[in-house]
Amino acid sequence: EAGVVQSPRYKIIEKKQPVAFWCNPISGHNTLYWYLQNLGQGPELLIRYENEEAVDDSQLPKDRFSAERLKGVDSTLKIQPAELGDSAVYLCASSLGSAGPTDTQYFGPGTRLTVL
Amino acid sequence: SQKIEQNSEALNIQEGKTATLTCNYTNYSPAYLQWYRQDPGRGPVFLLLIRENEKEKRKERLKVTFDTTLKQSLFHITASQPADSATYLCALTDSWGKLQFGAGTQVVVTP
Repeated sequence: EAGVVQSPRYKIIEKKQPVAFWCNPISGHNTLYWYLQNLGQGPELLIRYENEEAVDDSQLPKDRFSAERLKGVDSTLKIQPAELGDSAVYLCASSLGSAGPTDTQYFGPGTRLTVL
Repeated sequence: SQKIEQNSEALNIQEGKTATLTCNYTNYSPAYLQWYRQDPGRGPVFLLLIRENEKEKRKERLKVTFDTTLKQSLFHITASQPADSATYLCALTDSWGKLQFGAGTQVVVTP
């Protein structure tokens, strides 16, 4: 079974440019997460989806970040405009959504963003 | 504010020995605690989950303890192998399933 797929794996952009990341979760997984991971730190949750609904976006900087999960499957995370401090790895994860708080989250390989 | 602390220094250990990692937390009452493994260039991989009312959990060569009084979890890798070299992250989990990760501890197992 394929795992969580993310693209691109790497992205280099200049500041003030827009950028988008794409995530395809494991088939059948209803819950999708976007995390940000800075170098030497653990992942930090940006947004969580239950099907199409964003149920926790309290950590998403809404002035420049946006996300969508159309049809409850794939998801896109966008930054516009990007700032130097946005350089990080953006991780997508998914889980079945049936086990509540003990749901196992499966992570993709991440997209490494470098903002110049 | 909530704080999760893991040893920031890498743990260098000889093959066959037991590696012990620490996760301490403050200002938090997690319902669960999880441990993940992360290899360079990859996302974290779930290893173990322990509930607040469980003292110990084992899976093959891995053992996790959870002391809610001390606000501490210990993660042990017994009979360590070079393939165990990775960064290990602890994650506190609230009753809604929201994870808060520590910064992780790198483990290097030398033959």
